[in-house]
Amino acid sequence: KAGVTQTPRYLIKTRGQQVTLSCSPISGHRSVSWYQQTPGQGLQFLFEYFSETQRNKGNFPGRFSGRQFSNSRSEMNVSTLELGDSALYLCASSLNTEEQFFGPGTRLTVL
Amino acid sequence: GQSLEQPSEVTAVEGAIVQINCTYQTSGFYGLSWYQQHDGGAPTFLSYNALDGLEETGRFSSFLSRSDSYGYLLLQELQMKDSASYFCAVRDAGNTPLVFGKGTRLSVIA
Repeated sequence: KAGVTQTPRYLIKTRGQQVTLSCSPISGHRSVSWYQQTPGQGLQFLFEYFSETQRNKGNFPGRFSGRQFSNSRSEMNVSTLELGDSALYLCASSLNTEEQFFGPGTRLTVL
Repeated sequence: GQSLEQPSEVTAVEGAIVQINCTYQTSGFYGLSWYQQHDGGAPTFLSYNALDGLEETGRFSSFLSRSDSYGYLLLQELQMKDSASYFCAVRDAGNTPLVFGKGTRLSVIA
């Protein structure tokens, strides 16, 4: 069974640009969550989608947005990038149980 | 809101036992989870406790005391490959976001 995949794995952008990250969950998983991970801050919850609906949203500015498609694939978008947005962005899928399966993440660097 | 406290770093000797504590403050409580993350890797699920008591999975055990808002992860017969970061996470109700602690970096030394 294929795991969670995220593309791209690495990304370098400059301030003010926007970026779109993609996540393909494990087949059959309808819940997809996104997290931002920075050194010393752990995993900060961004949002969760279930069956194309945003079920929860974390405490991030409106520059961060996401969506989920009918095949459960999800994208997140960050507009007007800031230096502080440099982080590892992790996507996790689940069968709506407590066990979340994480992808390898996208390492975003904002210059 | 929710907050979780866990030690930032722990060092232990190969073959020994180590306990990583986690205390939490939540408005409600649905369950406590533990995840392991090796450097450069993705977090992987270790365990979940919804009720008081000890859950054992091989060399790893996880404990929960709901009355004390406290849990711990116990790693026995430590191996070098156990060197990683360990995160506790809580959910305060069903279908609410999982909130993670800042992680405990475990170093296993020979």
